[in-house]
Amino acid sequence: AQSVAQPEDQVNVAEGNPLTVKCTYSVSGNPYLFWYVQYPNRGLQFLLKYITGDNLVKGSYGFEAEFNKSQTSFHLKKPSALVSDSALYFCAVRGGTGGFKTIFGAGTRLFVKA
Amino acid sequence: DVKVTQSSRYLVKRTGEKVFLECVQDMDHENMFWYRQDPGLGLRLIYFSYDVKMKEKGDIPEGYSVSREKKERFSLILESASTNQTSMYLCASSSLRGPSGNTIYFGEGSWLTVV
Repeated sequence: AQSVAQPEDQVNVAEGNPLTVKCTYSVSGNPYLFWYVQYPNRGLQFLLKYITGDNLVKGSYGFEAEFNKSQTSFHLKKPSALVSDSALYFCAVRGGTGGFKTIFGAGTRLFVKA
Repeated sequence: DVKVTQSSRYLVKRTGEKVFLECVQDMDHENMFWYRQDPGLGLRLIYFSYDVKMKEKGDIPEGYSVSREKKERFSLILESASTNQTSMYLCASSSLRGPSGNTIYFGEGSWLTVV
C-alpha cells in the first residue's frame, strides 16, 4: 500500500537561513512525488514534482527537492527562507499499484521568523 | 493557468439538510477529485472520477455521493449532512497528458459548517 510521512508537524527557521521540510514515502514500483503549499484559507498550490530523470527537482518560489531512492525520501529545501514562505506544506505520492490515487501527507507547518 | 472553481467558499447548513458542492475546471482534464481536509489528518480522498459519468470511491465515501454529467463539472453531494462532516472540502483535477500530466490542481476550497 502507498503511504507518505511528514515526520515534523512544525518547522521553525529564521529568515535567511536554509530550510528543509522532510518527507518519506512507501510505494511499490516507481513513485511520482509532489510538493504542495497551502496558505491560510486557500487551496493547495503545486510547487514541484519528481517523475523521472534528475534527482534534484527545482520548482516555484526558489524551492527544490531531492529524490533519494535508497532512503525513500523527497525532502523539500530552500537555500534562504523568507517570512512569506510561512505556510502549510504537503508531500504527496502516486505510483505503483496505486493507479490514479495520490496520497497526501498530514502536512508540515513552516514558520519563518524575521 | 489551470483554473478549478468551487462555487461556494463558505456554507453553513443544518443537520439533515442535503448539501451540494459544485466544482468546475477549465482545462479539459479527464480526472476530477473531491478531498476533505481536517487538521492533523491531511487530505483524504472522498471520491474521484476519471471520465464523464464514471466515479470511484476514495478512502472515506460514506455519507457522500458525486455526480459527473459533464467533463468540466464534478459535484459532491451530502445526502443528509451531519456535524462530523464539518470540514474544508477541496475539489481538484488532473490529466495524464502533456507537461503538466499527473499534477493535481486544486480549487480554493469550500468551508462547510454543519450545525
